[in-house]
Amino acid sequence: KNEVEQSPQNLTAQEGEFITINCSYSVGISALHWLQQHPGGGIVSLFMLSSGKKKHGRLIATINIQEKHSSLHITASHPRDSAVYICAGPQATSGTYKYIFGTGTRLKVLA
Amino acid sequence: GAGVSQSPSNKVTEKGKDVELRCDPISGHTALYWYRQSLGQGLEFLIYFQGNSAPDKSGLPSDRFSAERTGGSVSTLTIQRTQQEDSAVYLCASSSGSYNEQFFGPGTRLTVL
Repeated sequence: KNEVEQSPQNLTAQEGEFITINCSYSVGISALHWLQQHPGGGIVSLFMLSSGKKKHGRLIATINIQEKHSSLHITASHPRDSAVYICAGPQATSGTYKYIFGTGTRLKVLA
Repeated sequence: GAGVSQSPSNKVTEKGKDVELRCDPISGHTALYWYRQSLGQGLEFLIYFQGNSAPDKSGLPSDRFSAERTGGSVSTLTIQRTQQEDSAVYLCASSSGSYNEQFFGPGTRLTVL
């Protein structure tokens, strides 16, 4: 069982639709990172959050610490939002540090 | 510089040769990370530096991989006796702290023939 699980794995939406991508994570991960990877490989950091909610433009990220769950929302989606969205988090214990990645959600927004 | 830079951008090598990949983090960032992404696969964590030290090297795939960071800035990832399965994009990221937002470099695409 992966320590960071995302759903859905693939998502196709029509332009303008509201999109939600979900991420569940295991004990020991104390903050959640949302990343965007476009075709061609470049990775952009969208949000890093350990509580509450953050908003940037049409993107909103929320996290529920008790439920160990985070969501990434895209409002008024656009074809340029087509990318792979990845959630990840640091898992640190005494003497160890790992960064755990979800498998990614491949989003395609159709015009 | 303004962002994380990596060199070379592309490296083609023959099986059995050693390669060295370089990462220049954002100035002042104390945390530095190395990741790997094989073709069509997800991201894989390799190693994390806080300052010059790496508390956990268990993410490195084998003892052919090593990494160092000097002066709290530039880092090098060295792969000895490269194998074809080492072919991947190697990504570096830096952040102002281990729980802060990471900024990614463009990656080094390594091809082992």
